[in-house]
Amino acid sequence: GENVEQHPSTLSVQEGDSAVIKCTYSDSASNYFPWYKQELGKRPQLIIDIRSNVGEKKDQRIAVTLNKTAKHFSLHITETQPEDSAVYFCAASKDDKIIFGKGTRLHILP
Amino acid sequence: DAGITQSPRYKITETGRQVTLMCHQTWSHSYMFWYRQDLGHGLRLIYYSAAADITDKGEVPDGYVVSRSKTENFPLTLESATRSQTSVYFCASRRENTEAFFGQGTRLTVV
Repeated sequence: GENVEQHPSTLSVQEGDSAVIKCTYSDSASNYFPWYKQELGKRPQLIIDIRSNVGEKKDQRIAVTLNKTAKHFSLHITETQPEDSAVYFCAASKDDKIIFGKGTRLHILP
Repeated sequence: DAGITQSPRYKITETGRQVTLMCHQTWSHSYMFWYRQDLGHGLRLIYYSAAADITDKGEVPDGYVVSRSKTENFPLTLESATRSQTSVYFCASRRENTEAFFGQGTRLTVV
């Protein structure tokens, strides 16, 4: 079955700097790759997603890139702000179930 | 999102007892999921369902039972709870190959 690896598990960046989180997946048939943000004590919520027919997608300060050949995808957050502090999850999906990575705890340092 | 709700929000039960976590969605999404969240393990899929009366095992199904007699409900039962099942449980729903929406979560403690 699908396996999603996510790195790093913890990331600390200075406010205003960029943050990058990387994920790999195992099933080449996966075709949908969402990213979720989870604040402390709350439910995960989608921040951006990308489909396998697209290489890059951007939404304001957030961008995601997908390399189907290498089976990896990345989340880029630019000009980080205190409210970006949270746990971020990548995931891979093949029409039905969604398999998540183990998460990255992002700390934004003042 | 008011469209998917879980109950109870918090539950304490004893080892060996049966406990059922409820999940209800109002969007008529075909897919529903149960995940457990533990520190260091992220979100692990327990069971999922593609439609009423269709269920499939996920990554960690042992010790759990699910049913889906109606599209809107997807209860998760722990037939004989163990301490290792202490966790936060999230239900989610989606249409095919789109964003999944999560419930508020149920914090289950097995003592």
